[in-house]
Amino acid sequence: ETGVTQSPTHLIKTRGQQVTLRCSSQSGHNTVSWYQQALGQGPQFIFQYYREEENGRGNFPPRFSGLQFPNYSSELNVNALELDDSALYLCASSLGSGGFGEKLFFGSGTQLSVL
Amino acid sequence: GDSVTQMEGPVTLSEEAFLTINCTYTATGYPSLFWYVQYPGEGLQLLLKATKADDKGSNKGFEATYRKETTSFHLEKGSVQVSDSAVYFCALSYTGNQFYFGTGTSLTVIP
Repeated sequence: ETGVTQSPTHLIKTRGQQVTLRCSSQSGHNTVSWYQQALGQGPQFIFQYYREEENGRGNFPPRFSGLQFPNYSSELNVNALELDDSALYLCASSLGSGGFGEKLFFGSGTQLSVL
Repeated sequence: GDSVTQMEGPVTLSEEAFLTINCTYTATGYPSLFWYVQYPGEGLQLLLKATKADDKGSNKGFEATYRKETTSFHLEKGSVQVSDSAVYFCALSYTGNQFYFGTGTSLTVIP
């Protein structure tokens, strides 16, 4: 089975620009979650997509948006980039949208630097 | 709100030493608890989990017990190896929809 793949691995943008990050979920998984991991911090939940619908959102502004496609791959879009958006962005896939003990499979992340 | 607090690192141990990484949580309900591990250059991987009070999760020689009375989920291993060098994250989740992670504890094991 294939794992979770993210692209690109590294990205440099300037303040005010827009960025799109991509994620291919593990084979057979229908749920994708996105997390932001700032330097020295734990991952923070941005949102989750289940069967192409947003299924939960963390404390992030509307300029963070997403999409999930029929093949369950996903995009994270961030508009009007700010310096504080510099972080490692992690995608995680799972089978099903909930249930206790849900197991997430993480990608290696996209390192975004905003200058 | 819900949160997880981990002991600060970095932690450096000699091979075969005993490991404890402390984790406490604050929860409004009754979450499941998890330990994830991130090896250098890799994504986070589930190490172990416990879904209710007094459950013990175990994997690869690591153990953690869900203690409701002390709101803790400390990670332990009796004899660490060099290959255990990684960053360890404690986390909680109610439904698998959203995970709350701690800040991570970096472990280095020296031969």
